[in-house]
Amino acid sequence: EAGVTQFPSHSVIEKGQTVTLRCDPISGHDNLYWYRRVMGKEIKFLLHFVKESKQDESGMPNNRFLAERTGGTYSTLKVQPAELEDSGVYFCASSQGLTSVGETQYFGPGTRLLVL
Amino acid sequence: AQSVTQLGSHVSVSEGALVLLRCNYSSSVPPYLFWYVQYPNQGLQLLLKYTTGATLVKGINGFEAEFKKSETSFHLTKPSAHMSDAAEYFCAGILTGGGNKLTFGTGTQLKVEL
Repeated sequence: EAGVTQFPSHSVIEKGQTVTLRCDPISGHDNLYWYRRVMGKEIKFLLHFVKESKQDESGMPNNRFLAERTGGTYSTLKVQPAELEDSGVYFCASSQGLTSVGETQYFGPGTRLLVL
Repeated sequence: AQSVTQLGSHVSVSEGALVLLRCNYSSSVPPYLFWYVQYPNQGLQLLLKYTTGATLVKGINGFEAEFKKSETSFHLTKPSAHMSDAAEYFCAGILTGGGNKLTFGTGTQLKVEL
C-alpha cells in the first residue's frame, strides 16, 4: 500500500511568487492534515480536512494560504504571494477516520520550500 | 496553554547505551501522546502511541515509553542504542478535546557514537 506522497519534494521560489504544494493521502483515508516546520521551530498544525470539508483551519497563518481538497482525495496548499517567512518544510498526514480522536496520522516526506 | 516540551534538542549516546529522550506535556484534557521518528530525507514514522489503558507502551525497533500522569511525562527509552537509531525524534500530543490536531515538541536529534 502506498504511503502519503507529496509533490514537489523541494521548491525554491522568489518572494512574491506563487507556489502550490500537493498531497496524496493513503487511499481511503478520510482525514487529511497539513503541518509546517519553520527552521529551528516545532512542527505546527495548519489545517484538517474531513473528506472535502475543512474541519479545523485554526493554524492557517493568514489569507495568503489556501488549501483545497476537491473530491475528498488529494489536497493542494497554495501560497500566494509567498513571503520569506513562509520558508520551511510542509508536511501532509492522513488518517482513516474510523474513530473520532487519537487515530494514528501517517506522514508524508514533506515539501521543502525556500522563499528567496 | 496546551504544549509539549522536549528537553534537549541534541542527545548523544554511545552504541549499546541506554537511550532516554524526555517529553513533558501540558493538557487540559486526558492526552493522547505519540512519538515519531524522522530519518534523513524521509517522513515522520510512528514509533508508538498512548491513548488509554496500559501506561507502558511498546513500539517498534525496541523503543518504549511510559505515560506518567503525576509527572505529566511521556519519556522515550531504548535499553541499547544502535547506530541505526540516529535520527530526529518528535513527541506529539492531542491535547485538546474535539479535534485531532497534533501539538509537537521541538524535536530531539539523537546521535549514536561508536
